[in-house]
Amino acid sequence: DGGITQSPKYLFRKEGQNVTLSCEQNLNHDAMYWYRQDPGQGLRLIYYSQIVNDFQKGDIAEGYSVSREKKESFPLTVTSAQKNPTAFYLCASSIAWGTATQTQYFGPGTRLLVL
Amino acid sequence: AQKVTQAQTEISVVEKEDVTLDCVYETRDTTYYLFWYKQPPSGELVFLIRRNSFDEQNEISGRYSWNFQKSTSSFNFTITASQVVDSAVYFCALLDQTGANNLFFGTGTRLTVIP
Repeated sequence: DGGITQSPKYLFRKEGQNVTLSCEQNLNHDAMYWYRQDPGQGLRLIYYSQIVNDFQKGDIAEGYSVSREKKESFPLTVTSAQKNPTAFYLCASSIAWGTATQTQYFGPGTRLLVL
Repeated sequence: AQKVTQAQTEISVVEKEDVTLDCVYETRDTTYYLFWYKQPPSGELVFLIRRNSFDEQNEISGRYSWNFQKSTSSFNFTITASQVVDSAVYFCALLDQTGANNLFFGTGTRLTVIP
């Protein structure tokens, strides 16, 4: 089955620790995205990647980093510089980036909690 | 500036009632896309519909229908004969060039269908 997988489902971070959230898709999509969702809020864009080996900052990139070495993978690292990382993180992908082809499909999410 | 307003934070209905979720948007672009997503308790966002700014036809899909009116900048979503499985948070989203061709989400409406 084609789709987007995220792991782990729950992740616990200690103070000062970097953690990496995994996102994999087998939809052959060029574009991938990371969003953060806080309780009672909409989704806010952290980073996006239009194509392999390229990525751009979204609205709230500070304290996060990404890589896009393979088409199917777009891992997100939450660094120690992110002072309030507790949130629900959603990964998405679309066929391509741009208005005409950008219906985004989402993974199941990772809930990050700070110990 | 782009903006998506979902004024209804929470709605509760009794099963089999009809319910309409409101979405009002702001954009300076003439070409844009509007989306509705459903987020059930599991957390994954499920794509429901995409509509472009040149297509004002209403759409019906089973118990779901959407009313797009450019004159009032609204894209409302109606569920007919609601069911318990419809309980979820529903997000309206806008994609336009003002937002660098990225999705901008409203804050969502939590729908609870009471059996």
